[in-house]
Amino acid sequence: DAKTTQPTSMDCAEGRAANLPCNHSTISGNEYVYWYRQIHSQGPQYIIHGLKNNETNEMASLIITEDRKSSTLILPHATLRDTAVYYCIVFYNQGGKLIFGQGTELSVKP
Amino acid sequence: DTAVSQTPKYLVTQMGNDKSIKCEQNLGHDTMYWYKQDSKKFLKIMFSYNNKELIINETVPNRFSPKSPDKAHLNLHINSLELGDSAVYFCASSRLSLAGGSTDTQYFGPGTRLTVL
Repeated sequence: DAKTTQPTSMDCAEGRAANLPCNHSTISGNEYVYWYRQIHSQGPQYIIHGLKNNETNEMASLIITEDRKSSTLILPHATLRDTAVYYCIVFYNQGGKLIFGQGTELSVKP
Repeated sequence: DTAVSQTPKYLVTQMGNDKSIKCEQNLGHDTMYWYKQDSKKFLKIMFSYNNKELIINETVPNRFSPKSPDKAHLNLHINSLELGDSAVYFCASSRLSLAGGSTDTQYFGPGTRLTVL
């Protein structure tokens, strides 16, 4: 199974951009990259997903490298409420399962 | 209006008891899921139902029995509770079926914290 690798934790200053990296070097051509986050004691929340092209929505931007082996989630102006665990997930359409890794614990500091 | 709701939010019970957790979604989705998040915070899928039909069963002990009376509800019944069942259980739903090879956003409920004493 393809796996994702993320840093365990990151800090970001409030108001600055938070760039969260993810490696998925064994991703196959028709597998999507999804990002979810989990704020303490809440259910996971969908952020964004993409296949090949960069994507942007009201929450974040997703940059996927041309070889698709890594991606970066960008929160353009991080706020204290963005403090959460961020999960990068590769969707395996053969198995039909979203598999959550350990994620990156992002702390946004004043 | 809450999109995916779960009851109860907290559940404390003794070993050996039988308990149920209820989940309802008002999004009109066809697929619902149960996930377990253990003390180490790993989030793992347990079951998935599409239009009341089981499509994913992740080698969960048969003490766990999901039941879907209709596509808006997916309840989780647990028999003979064990200490290791203590975790937070999340329900989720999506418009399409992941097991069918398509992709879709999953919407999660607030979780049920189960503590087995």
